[in-house]
Amino acid sequence: GAGVSQSPSNKVTEKGKDVELRCDPISGHTALYWYRQSLGQGLEFLIYFQGNSAPDKSGLPSDRFSAERTGGSVSTLTIQRTQQEDSAVYLCASSFWGLGNEQFFGPGTRLTVL
Amino acid sequence: SQQGEEDPQALSIQEGENATMNCSYKTSINNLQWYRQNSGRGLVHLILIRSNEREKHSGRLRVTLDTSKKSSSLLITASRAADTASYFCATDSNYQLIWGAGTKLIIKP
Repeated sequence: GAGVSQSPSNKVTEKGKDVELRCDPISGHTALYWYRQSLGQGLEFLIYFQGNSAPDKSGLPSDRFSAERTGGSVSTLTIQRTQQEDSAVYLCASSFWGLGNEQFFGPGTRLTVL
Repeated sequence: SQQGEEDPQALSIQEGENATMNCSYKTSINNLQWYRQNSGRGLVHLILIRSNEREKHSGRLRVTLDTSKKSSSLLITASRAADTASYFCATDSNYQLIWGAGTKLIIKP
């Protein structure tokens, strides 16, 4: 079946604008994760959804960041009033059940804030 | 905060040689995973080793885990040009998956 997809693949925006990044997980995967990766760095955990449980938002860097997962499937990561330091690749992953299981990653969205 | 730390940060070897990368972590874990990231295929899961396992093999990959030293190693035998990538360890503890900064592996022809 299809893998994890993300859109857009690239997003260039001006400082202060809001952006929405979308993730379509693999069908049937109950867990969904958002990460951020700066150039040459590892992955920074942002948020984790598992089934109908309250999401783990402990990795969100500020209240400008929020995420939703509708119907247990598609997720949207929203960054309000973008700053230049928000520039990074935003990666989405999904897995069966949750932590401890193999995560399948999407291709990422490269966000550039000018 | 980063829990896993990979060592070395970068490694360059000749094709056909073996490559060894290490990962250290700070707190107790349920399992440890290794992932590879390259420009062609993105981030891909390689192998998962559980805290009660000491060694695991998958093709040319061998992973060891020493929970007493809080460390893991990834060995790639008979390296190929296609193994050129960044390799990350990720540890599962306290309901989060924590990632290291990665080892950049370059295989020279």
